[in-house]
Amino acid sequence: AQSVAQPEDQVNVAEGNPLTVKCTYSVSGNPYLFWYVQYPNRGLQFLLKYITGDNLVKGSYGFEAEFNKSQTSFHLKKPSALVSDSALYFCAVRRGGNTGKLIFGQGTTLQVKP
Amino acid sequence: GAVVSQHPSRVICKSGTSVKIECRSLDFQATTMFWYRQFPKQSLMLMATSNEGSKATYEQGVEKDKFLINHASLTLSTLTVTSAHPEDSSFYICSASFLTRATEAFFGQGTRLTVV
Repeated sequence: AQSVAQPEDQVNVAEGNPLTVKCTYSVSGNPYLFWYVQYPNRGLQFLLKYITGDNLVKGSYGFEAEFNKSQTSFHLKKPSALVSDSALYFCAVRRGGNTGKLIFGQGTTLQVKP
Repeated sequence: GAVVSQHPSRVICKSGTSVKIECRSLDFQATTMFWYRQFPKQSLMLMATSNEGSKATYEQGVEKDKFLINHASLTLSTLTVTSAHPEDSSFYICSASFLTRATEAFFGQGTRLTVV
């Protein structure tokens, strides 16, 4: 069975500091991994994805994530956090193949303080 | 980029009535649409998967007679909450994908349903 774990309910960082939001996954076969961000009462916005190739993936708004197969992790990172990055972040996994359904982690609230 | 529009963004209805939520892909043909439910500060729970022209596939525990899904065209899927009760109050989100970019799902902005 596929699953995604985000071990932290909330991450607090100061503006300008680097941030990391953790994600580990479990899936048979090759995983397709995604990060989405959600602002209050809004749908999800796509940040980045890993399908194949380079383990370091760069996405929107300066975010990046590193796929680590041995640790089955796909942590989201940003070198310098902004207050506007404060939101709810979801990691998701899809088993390889077309139109497979996404399995989401429980979400991590990122709070960036000035 | 691919845009998914969900309507209405917010709806309040009386207990016992039915509510229809629309999900439209504006600039692409969506071969598959997904409906999710989200409780406050919780993750998205997949309710059902719908493919154009066929019956929706519901996840375990989701009442198909209560949550009617129709995917009549490649650009429109609807979710109808029938005989709504206060416990159906939630945030409902749709997503859509299409074959040529099937690795990525595009999400609507969500619908906040409040049943009073």
